Amino acid sequence: DSGVTQTPKHLITATGQRVTLRCSPRSGDLSVYWYQQSLDQGLQFLIQYYNGEERAKGNILERFSAQQFPDLHSELNLSSLELGDSALYFCASSVDDRTHEQYFGPGTRLTVT
Amino acid sequence: AQTVTQSQPEMSVQEAETVTLSCTYDTSESDYYLFWYKQPPSRQMILVIRQEAYKQQNATENRFSVNFQKAAKSFSLKISDSQLGDAAMYFCACLSGNTPLVFGKGTRLSVIA
Repeated sequence: DSGVTQTPKHLITATGQRVTLRCSPRSGDLSVYWYQQSLDQGLQFLIQYYNGEERAKGNILERFSAQQFPDLHSELNLSSLELGDSALYFCASSVDDRTHEQYFGPGTRLTVT
Repeated sequence: AQTVTQSQPEMSVQEAETVTLSCTYDTSESDYYLFWYKQPPSRQMILVIRQEAYKQQNATENRFSVNFQKAAKSFSLKISDSQLGDAAMYFCACLSGNTPLVFGKGTRLSVIA
């Protein structure tokens, strides 16, 4: 158990819908990262937050957004969902924004039908 | 841009034997970090081992060790005394500069009893 929690574990929704994925980092970790793992694209970095502020952005679609709250939990919002958004979404956390060990949550499996 | 290449999509090893998974990377940064992550069938991403580029000594964690060849930009993972629980996808990853963690495509390791 990495100490990072993600909810829900599984999510099934229809195209065009909007969902919110939630992540709670390890106790004491200030930085949260979101990744998408799909069969064709592999593991891709989406976005990073550090202590409530956006720190780095990767291949995140405009339909996706995220935020980190004062209690350091983070939410990833996916809207206007398409079939291709079906993937495993991971959250990871680290102590700061440059520490070099990221600990991953169990992931949320999103299926868009 | 940094890249990580894992040239072995699949590998197999007999239980109790040793196996080496290959990884090459490319980065223009002088300060970087390399990681191996394990993803078992549960899909959890587990940090196996990390190596700081400035350290000449190869990292070791119990049965897992790396062969870090900086000039060749090679970072292989050696698993000794392989166990059934080692069966998983293994991802090599690189973190450098302001670039977030970049993953290779993974190597699927099977352990034969």
